[in-house]
Amino acid sequence: DTEVTQTPKHLVMGMTNKKSLKCEQHMGHRAMYWYKQKAKKPPELMFVYSYEKLSINESVPSRFSPECPNSSLLNLHLHALQPEDSALYLCASSQWGEETQYFGPGTRLLVL
Amino acid sequence: AQSVSQHNHHVILSEAASLELGCNYSYGGTVNLFWYVQYPGQHLQLLLKYFSGDPLVKGIKGFEAEFIKSKFSFNLRKPSVQWSDTAEYFCAVNARIKAAGNKLTFGGGTRVLVKP
Repeated sequence: DTEVTQTPKHLVMGMTNKKSLKCEQHMGHRAMYWYKQKAKKPPELMFVYSYEKLSINESVPSRFSPECPNSSLLNLHLHALQPEDSALYLCASSQWGEETQYFGPGTRLLVL
Repeated sequence: AQSVSQHNHHVILSEAASLELGCNYSYGGTVNLFWYVQYPGQHLQLLLKYFSGDPLVKGIKGFEAEFIKSKFSFNLRKPSVQWSDTAEYFCAVNARIKAAGNKLTFGGGTRVLVKP
């Protein structure tokens, strides 16, 4: 089973809202990732978690706040977003020491 | 820092035609290379990967790619495409950052349209 699930599939939020994106995997992977994909662009890495600890932050604005409550779950908390943050947010996971990443279907976010 | 470039942004071809998508990378360390495919409305799926060994790698759905170290290239090929191969194709290179994890950098993508 190489499935990564993400909820919700779609999210519309205002600039003053607080919302969260959720990602889950049950493959025993100890590395999890958040990517942002704008329309007609490639995914861009935002955060990497290794063994539930934040290991890479690609200079992402603080209005995006990641959280890894356990080895299967990864959240992305959103607050005071801007319309330009509208994008597809992808979660991925990989086995520690193994470079292949498996992607979820993404959450399509629209900020009004 | 690593970078990946894909030369073709759009490719249009007919069924049964052969497909070749170019990918060049720049990275100073040991490379791990990937091709991912994103079908319309679907999530990114791994087509194939190269870590080491035989530079000609075979993936799913009849795709293959050749790693040419001297040219810093990892081109994707399929001898005969089908309408269902219509998708966006991404080349990616992985950088392993000590104790921190993997950083995957994608090329700009190539949109392939196969006409029936």
